[in-house]
Order: sequence, then C-alpha cells, then structure tokens
Amino acid sequence: RKEVEQDPGPFNVPEGATVAFNCTYSNSASQSFFWYRQDCRKEPKLLMSVYSSGNEDGRFTAQLNRASQYISLLIRDSKLSDSATYLCVVNPDSSYKLIFGSGTRLLVRP
Amino acid sequence: NAGVTQTPKFRILKIGQSMTLQCAQDMNHNYMYWYRQDPGMGLKLIYYSVGAGITDKGEVPNGYNVSRSTTEDFPLRLELAAPSQTSVYFCASSRDAGGTQYFGPGTRLLVL
Repeated sequence: RKEVEQDPGPFNVPEGATVAFNCTYSNSASQSFFWYRQDCRKEPKLLMSVYSSGNEDGRFTAQLNRASQYISLLIRDSKLSDSATYLCVVNPDSSYKLIFGSGTRLLVRP
Repeated sequence: NAGVTQTPKFRILKIGQSMTLQCAQDMNHNYMYWYRQDPGMGLKLIYYSVGAGITDKGEVPNGYNVSRSTTEDFPLRLELAAPSQTSVYFCASSRDAGGTQYFGPGTRLLVL
C-alpha cells in the first residue's frame, strides 16, 4: 500500500461547480498534513495546511479524518484558474520528511 | 527575496556524462531537499540537508551526490548519467523540519 494515495483524476468540472478530493494515508501516527498545488510544468506551492478541526481559506476547505486516515479538499465556486494538480502531503513523524501523493488533476471548463 | 533558485532550467545529457544541478535559497533556511518527479508520479526525495555540512540520503539516492558547504547552496551532482535519470528535479527548502517547503522552479533533465 502506498503511504499516500490519491485519485489521479482528471476531475473535469464546469466553472462555478463544487468539487472535492480525498486522499488516504497509511501511517496512523502521521503528524501534519498539507495540500499543495502544482500547475503544469511548474513547481509545487503550498495551498493550505490541514488542521485537526478542519480549516477554510476562502473557497477552499480542508478536513482531516484521523479515524479513517484521510484528508479532503473542497473547492467551491470553481474558477478556470483552479485548473491544476493538487498534491496531498503528509508528514509521518514530525521529522524533515514529507510524503507527497501523486496528485489529483482538476480541469475547470468554461 | 528570490526564494529558491535553480539552474539550469533544462539540460540534455548523453549517457555517461556528468553534471551539477545548482540550487540556492536566500531565506536562511536550515533544511534543504532535492526531489525528482517522474511523469504522473509523486515527488521522490533524493537527498536532504539539515544544515551546512550535514547531508543524508533520501528515498532514491543512487547515482547522485550532494554537498552543503553553506546555508544558501545545495548542489546536486549526477555522475555517469543514465536514461533512468531523465526527470524533473526540484530543490526545496524549509525553516522547520516537516514544515512548509518552498520549491525552486525545477530543472528538466533529459538523458539520451
């Protein structure tokens, strides 16, 4: 089993739609969680951290479910500019190490 | 602040050639990392450093070497390039262990 698993997609949605991605992780002792965004042929950039109580940043909401070992990202009112690959990232043990998922590709169409 | 910079942006190597990928950061971060990203795959950690003079292997270190003589610079050396090393290489840095990592723009390497 992969340490971090994501549905590769692509998720193809119209502008204004709400879309959600899930990501599962294998290490129940994992300490911290992130969503990164990667545009085509660009470097990954932090989108948001994921807190135990869930957190929101504008149109983006992240949730953590420790019991089921998954995190989610909800995007409301999708924009064309949201088209990108979203990487689920887990820190398994509070060390230097981040484990990156392979990413979920989102395409927002006009 | 320039953040994390990488050179070159793109390079073609012949099998058996060597090269150094440069990485520098101006954020005074102690932690620096080298990843490779193959198409459709997640980032794989090659080497990392927790400070000047200290480096250690990541998940896929074979065929690579690093050094960290200063806080700012973390070059990656490829010896005897092989087609399997065709990939996109990202350098990253972070202030804290396990904290937000800031990435450079990447180096695309093609080994023929």
